Amino acid sequence: NAGVTQTPKFRVLKTGQSMTLLCAQDMNHEYMYWYRQDPGMGLRLIHYSVGEGTTAKGEVPDGYNVSRLKKQNFLLGLESAAPSQTSVYFCASSYSTGTSGGQQETQYFGPGTRLLVL
Amino acid sequence: GDSVTQMEGPVTLSEEAFLTINCTYTATGYPSLFWYVQYPGEGLQLLLKATKADDKGSNKGFEATYRKETTSFHLEKGSVQVSDSAVYFCALSGGYSSASKIIFGSGTRLSIRP
Repeated sequence: NAGVTQTPKFRVLKTGQSMTLLCAQDMNHEYMYWYRQDPGMGLRLIHYSVGEGTTAKGEVPDGYNVSRLKKQNFLLGLESAAPSQTSVYFCASSYSTGTSGGQQETQYFGPGTRLLVL
Repeated sequence: GDSVTQMEGPVTLSEEAFLTINCTYTATGYPSLFWYVQYPGEGLQLLLKATKADDKGSNKGFEATYRKETTSFHLEKGSVQVSDSAVYFCALSGGYSSASKIIFGSGTRLSIRP
């Protein structure tokens, strides 16, 4: 099992350019997540998906779009990159127990994508 | 809403010292609690977890006990090693306002001197 993989590992963009980050998991997980990690701010949830064809906004969704056309893939798009989007982006996935109260299993993280917007 | 507060770093210790990283939480319902670790240049990985009150999670010499009465989940290790140098995140999931998501603390950077 490869687990969670992310493509690309590193990217430099100019302000206004667009790009798509790809996350893939081979664990048949229902839930997938995109986070950004900035110094001193921990992880902040951008968007997440609880199943194929569904997405939802997280804590900091502005400037990003996502799609979950296949269960194993979760794409994060930047339509018009801004310097404020310079960050390290992590994808994660997990099962869902489906029990009351939203109990959730462990999240498995990818290695990250380092994005620099000039 | 649900939240996690953990002690600010960085924390610097000598090898074989005792480690405590404090974590407290606010949540409604019956959340699960986690500690994740992030080694330099890598993604987060689960270190340990506890799913109900009084449970103790343990792994690689680290321990944390789910204390509902004090809403805490402090991370401890009796004798740290240089290889434990990393950033540690406390997290919760499954509270009524955090369904389907994990809420992370801001992370504590730990450095161990040989």
